[in-house]
Amino acid sequence: DAGVIQSPRHEVTEMGQEVTLRCKPISGHNSLFWYRQTMMRGLELLIYFNNNVPIDDSGMPEDRFSAKMPNASFSTLKIQPSEPRDSAVYFCASSSGQGNTGELFFGEGSRLTVL
Amino acid sequence: SQQGEEDPQALSIQEGENATMNCSYKTSINNLQWYRQNSGRGLVHLILIRSNEREKHSGRLRVTLDTSKKSSSLLITASRAADTASYFCATESLDSSYKLIFGSGTRLLVRP
Repeated sequence: DAGVIQSPRHEVTEMGQEVTLRCKPISGHNSLFWYRQTMMRGLELLIYFNNNVPIDDSGMPEDRFSAKMPNASFSTLKIQPSEPRDSAVYFCASSSGQGNTGELFFGEGSRLTVL
Repeated sequence: SQQGEEDPQALSIQEGENATMNCSYKTSINNLQWYRQNSGRGLVHLILIRSNEREKHSGRLRVTLDTSKKSSSLLITASRAADTASYFCATESLDSSYKLIFGSGTRLLVRP
């Protein structure tokens, strides 16, 4: 299996622009997570999907952030409009766990810089 | 606040030495996991220990869990330069079975 695939790996954009990050989870995994990593705040859980349904989005910072999972093999995280404080590495992770989380498989991350 | 807090924040050792990292957490847990992150890469799962387990081994890794003290330790024996990375503990709370909360991590440098 190719693992969790994220794109783009790097994105540099200007404040106010829309940013879309993409994730393809491991086939057969029914749980998908979006995390954000910064030096100041560490790894923060943004949103959790189970069987394509958003279960917990309490970590989404504000209305500028939205996430979708239209099918079992694809998810997006969108920021509109982007701000410099959104600069971070965004990770997607998937797992086959149900109930107990079990092991998470992470993608390589999307490094976002908002100027 | 973060569930897991690692100690020390940074550790520098000589190749061949053992490295010990500690993690403390606040609430009752289902399990505790350790992950490794190389610079610029994603996190990689190392080991999972359940709340009813006290010790677990995987190769050169040894993890202990003390639920009475709400703490865990990760021991890497006979370290290698390739072990240089950041190590994170992550906890799954009893009241939040899908949510893994990550600590702030320990940066390990193994000098050749």
